[in-house]
Amino acid sequence: EDQVTQSPEALRLQEGESSSLNCSYTVSGLRGLFWYRQDPGKGPEFLFTLYSAGEEKEKERLKATLTKKESFLHITAPKPEDSATYLCAVRDHGSSNTGKLIFGQGTTLQVKP
Amino acid sequence: EPEVTQTPSHQVTQMGQEVILRCVPISNHLYFYWYRQILGQKVEFLVSFYNNEISEKSEIFDDQFSVERPDGSNFTLKIRSTKLEDSAMYFCASSPQSDSTYGYTFGSGTRLTVV
Repeated sequence: EDQVTQSPEALRLQEGESSSLNCSYTVSGLRGLFWYRQDPGKGPEFLFTLYSAGEEKEKERLKATLTKKESFLHITAPKPEDSATYLCAVRDHGSSNTGKLIFGQGTTLQVKP
Repeated sequence: EPEVTQTPSHQVTQMGQEVILRCVPISNHLYFYWYRQILGQKVEFLVSFYNNEISEKSEIFDDQFSVERPDGSNFTLKIRSTKLEDSAMYFCASSPQSDSTYGYTFGSGTRLTVV
């Protein structure tokens, strides 16, 4: 059974203090690992898709990396507006035709000024 | 930027009542999804829909649930007889393909409260 586990559950940073969020996954044939940002009371907002080990994607202060067992979301010099819950999700081989995603429980990031 | 629109944003219903949650996906998208998120829990897949058929559904999506694309723009989720445990945030999403590289676009959700 596919599983996605994120750590830590919550993270508090000072503005400018870089850190990383972890997403560990077990999946039968990865067909995409997704990172989303979710603000309170809103739907997930797409950030990145990674497909193969060694792949990296960047967007502003965020950089996502992928290995065969986990993905990291690195946040460099975060600002208060980066405060949100970050969700990791996977799509497996069997769901490449249906689009089903399996989500982790998320990491809630708070960045203090 | 195109977006997925969901209505209503919040619905309160009596246990046992039927509810219909509505979504307008992005116009050129072909795949449509419903997910739910119980307060404090993971986002959970309910169903995917393509070419007027369900392509995959989860164990949660039992006979009390149904989906429909009644016209060229709307996508609905119906819960026939709501239970207290159906209280959750329901998200609609759409994508141009099932294996979209650009992820899935989610709506802002409908908060369903069953009393």
